[in-house]
Amino acid sequence: GQSLEQPSEVTAVEGAIVQINCTYQTSGFYGLSWYQQHDGGAPTFLSYNALDGLEETGRFSSFLSRSDSYGYLLLQELQMKDSASYFCAALMNRDDKIIFGKGTRLHILP
Amino acid sequence: DSGVTQTPKHLITATGQRVTLRCSPRSGDLSVYWYQQSLDQGLQFLIQYYNGEERAKGNILERFSAQQFPDLHSELNLSSLELGDSALYFCASSTSPTDTDTQYFGPGTRLTVL
Repeated sequence: GQSLEQPSEVTAVEGAIVQINCTYQTSGFYGLSWYQQHDGGAPTFLSYNALDGLEETGRFSSFLSRSDSYGYLLLQELQMKDSASYFCAALMNRDDKIIFGKGTRLHILP
Repeated sequence: DSGVTQTPKHLITATGQRVTLRCSPRSGDLSVYWYQQSLDQGLQFLIQYYNGEERAKGNILERFSAQQFPDLHSELNLSSLELGDSALYFCASSTSPTDTDTQYFGPGTRLTVL
């Protein structure tokens, strides 16, 4: 079947760096997106990788390796407001469905 | 505020009933997506519409249907409701059908089936 695996929870300290991994098993993979969702809120788009390598957007970066079916989201200079759930999502063949991982809950300690 | 609106915010109904959820995309966005989010299943893609036409289908049950109207708003119809249909239902929009990488989510409708 098609699935994305990511850790259920990650804990880090304010000001530190944290990496959230995502491995996928899909056919017709096109690209990997990342979304942030605060409790009670809607998902918001963070980053997208269609090609191998690193994409940087401010404190957030995302990486993709197609050969390893693996990607990660890197959050730097962690702030308390970064406490949220983070989802990776695989795009299939650009005009097909989207599959989300179950999400990683990020806890940040002061 | 993403610019995507959803109504109602909360909906409480009984098993066996039918409900309609409404979504208005961001101004200029032609593509609308529907998602279901529950605690045990996570975020599940249901269906996508582009400019009135169905574009992609995910894990949408036969009891569920959707449509996109000429003014681009969309409705998700859920019928013969079961307890397990209780969830958050999100609508998202994007500019084109191929901009699935960047979607803007509405605030969601929380459906409770009693």
